[in-house]
Amino acid sequence: DAKTTQPNSMESNEEEPVHLPCNHSTISGTDYIHWYRQLPSQGPEYVIHGLTSNVNNRMASLAIAEDRKSSTLILHRATLRDAAVYYCILNAGGTSYGKLTFGQGTILTVHP
Amino acid sequence: NAGVTQTPKFRILKIGQSMTLQCTQDMNHNYMYWYRQDPGMGLKLIYYSVGAGITDKGEVPNGYNVSRSTTEDFPLRLELAAPSQTSVYFCASSYFPGAKNIQYFGAGTRLSVL
Repeated sequence: DAKTTQPNSMESNEEEPVHLPCNHSTISGTDYIHWYRQLPSQGPEYVIHGLTSNVNNRMASLAIAEDRKSSTLILHRATLRDAAVYYCILNAGGTSYGKLTFGQGTILTVHP
Repeated sequence: NAGVTQTPKFRILKIGQSMTLQCTQDMNHNYMYWYRQDPGMGLKLIYYSVGAGITDKGEVPNGYNVSRSTTEDFPLRLELAAPSQTSVYFCASSYFPGAKNIQYFGAGTRLSVL
């Protein structure tokens, strides 16, 4: 499986934008980039995914580098509720069951 | 809007005891998964199912068993609990597999084996 690399932790202030980076230099052409987050004492929650183009939804934006070797999850205005562990995951799709491989993720701390 | 429901939320077992972690989903998803998460780590896949009657092993299946008799339910069985199985267990489901697959997770079962 292609591997992702994320910073262990990041900090932000409330109502400021947050850019969470992810490197995936061995990504293959058919791998989708997925982001999940895990709030304290909860199960992971889907955030966003994309293949080549930048993506926006109500939770966040995903900016994908032109060579697809890196991506950035953007939270436009961080709130205290956004404090969580954020996982960047490559979903190969070639498997028949959609296995997700979770790394250690980035712990995001949001200061009031 | 229940989604994926796991029971119990917490459990303490003695070494050698058995238990079943329950998971049910009301989204009519064919694909279901069991993960475990050790402290400070990411999730690891234990077992998965692609539909009723069909299950297969993930990364860390040893010490666990599963069954899938209905679309809704996917219980995880621990036969002889060991301290190494102390973890948080998450069940997830998805509508279809593949690269666009979005998984929906339950709130987890926190298990301690003493």
